[in-house]
Amino acid sequence: GQNIDQPTEMTATEGAIVQINCTYQTSGFNGLFWYQQHAGEAPTFLSYNVLDGLEEKGRFSSFLSRSKGYSYLLLKELQMKDSASYLCAVRDAASNAGNNRKLIWGLGTSLAVNP
Amino acid sequence: KAGVTQTPRYLIKTRGQQVTLSCSPISGHRSVSWYQQTPGQGLQFLFEYFSETQRNKGNFPGRFSGRQFSNSRSEMNVSTLELGDSALYLCASGKDSHSGANVLTFGAGSRLTVL
Repeated sequence: GQNIDQPTEMTATEGAIVQINCTYQTSGFNGLFWYQQHAGEAPTFLSYNVLDGLEEKGRFSSFLSRSKGYSYLLLKELQMKDSASYLCAVRDAASNAGNNRKLIWGLGTSLAVNP
Repeated sequence: KAGVTQTPRYLIKTRGQQVTLSCSPISGHRSVSWYQQTPGQGLQFLFEYFSETQRNKGNFPGRFSGRQFSNSRSEMNVSTLELGDSALYLCASGKDSHSGANVLTFGAGSRLTVL
């Protein structure tokens, strides 16, 4: 079957670093996305990985290991506004035609940043 | 440029009724995907439309249907509403680029409550 696992909840302190892990088992792989969703708001795009390695974008970095079916999102210098749910999604290459293949989503990791 | 617009934002229906939700994607985006989001199930893919054609479909019953118009606006319909259909319905638009990440931009959602 197809499955994406993320921790349900995490807590961290303002100014610290936190790593949110995501493991996946899918029939195909054509990229992994991280989205941030604040309570009551729409998910917003954070990062995309399709090749192994680390992608850095300001305070946020995302890592991918395709052989291990594993990714993590690293948040540095945490701020209170980073309190949100972080969603991991995998594009399944086994879906129907077209490049916009189906995304499979994890349930999200709710991060609470405390002062 | 304007974002993804979903209407209505909130609505309350009773069991057995039907509902139609509307989504206007970002100008120039031809792909529209619909998701159902609930606390226990996370983001569940409903269907994706591209150039007025349904290109991908999730595992929802036939009560859930959708369509896309020539201007890329999309509607989804749920007939014979059940209590379990209470959820946040999110629409996402994408460029459907043939290279690189096809990032989805989400609307704010339509929160449906079925009584």
